[in-house]
Amino acid sequence: DAGVIQSPRHEVTEMGQEVTLRCKPISGHNSLFWYRQTMMRGLELLIYFNNNVPIDDSGMPEDRFSAKMPNASFSTLKIQPSEPRDSAVYFCASGAEAAVSTDTQYFGPGTRLTVL
Amino acid sequence: AQRVTQPEKLLSVFKGAPVELKCNYSYSGSPELFWYVQYSRQRLQLLLRHISRESIKGFTADLNKGETSFHLKKPFAQEEDSAMYYCALSGPGANSKLTFGKGITLSVRP
Repeated sequence: DAGVIQSPRHEVTEMGQEVTLRCKPISGHNSLFWYRQTMMRGLELLIYFNNNVPIDDSGMPEDRFSAKMPNASFSTLKIQPSEPRDSAVYFCASGAEAAVSTDTQYFGPGTRLTVL
Repeated sequence: AQRVTQPEKLLSVFKGAPVELKCNYSYSGSPELFWYVQYSRQRLQLLLRHISRESIKGFTADLNKGETSFHLKKPFAQEEDSAMYYCALSGPGANSKLTFGKGITLSVRP
């Protein structure tokens, strides 16, 4: 298994443009997480899905951010319009949650986003 | 609300020195605690979890409920331990999310 796959690995865009980040979780995993990593705030959970359903999106910073999971093998995180303060590394992670405990999360390589 | 505090951003030690990466948490209940590690140019990955009570790469971490701490320790640091370390907390049960601390960079000098 190639693990969690994210694309693109690097994205440079101009302020105001739409940005779409993509994630393919590990096959068979039923949970998917989107995180943002910055120097100032560390690793923040933005949103997570369980069985393709959004469970908690309280970490999504504002309406400019949206995430979808149309099927078990694909998710997108969209920023529209993008702003320079959105510059960060965005990680996707997947996990196979057991009934009574949080299982290990497996992280993708991340997408480094730079908004000019 | 669940919260994880890693009070230091950077720890620099010489090879062979003991290491302790501090982690304190806030949670009303019985949490699950984890340490994740990110080596240079590699993915973030699980290092250990408290329920496993195991030693990974010489690292151990004991959950101290009285002090609400989960410090990561290693008696003799190696250069290859240099990485970013994140402490994380989850509530029990399915659909529980991980809350991460801000992380600490460990630098082990030769």
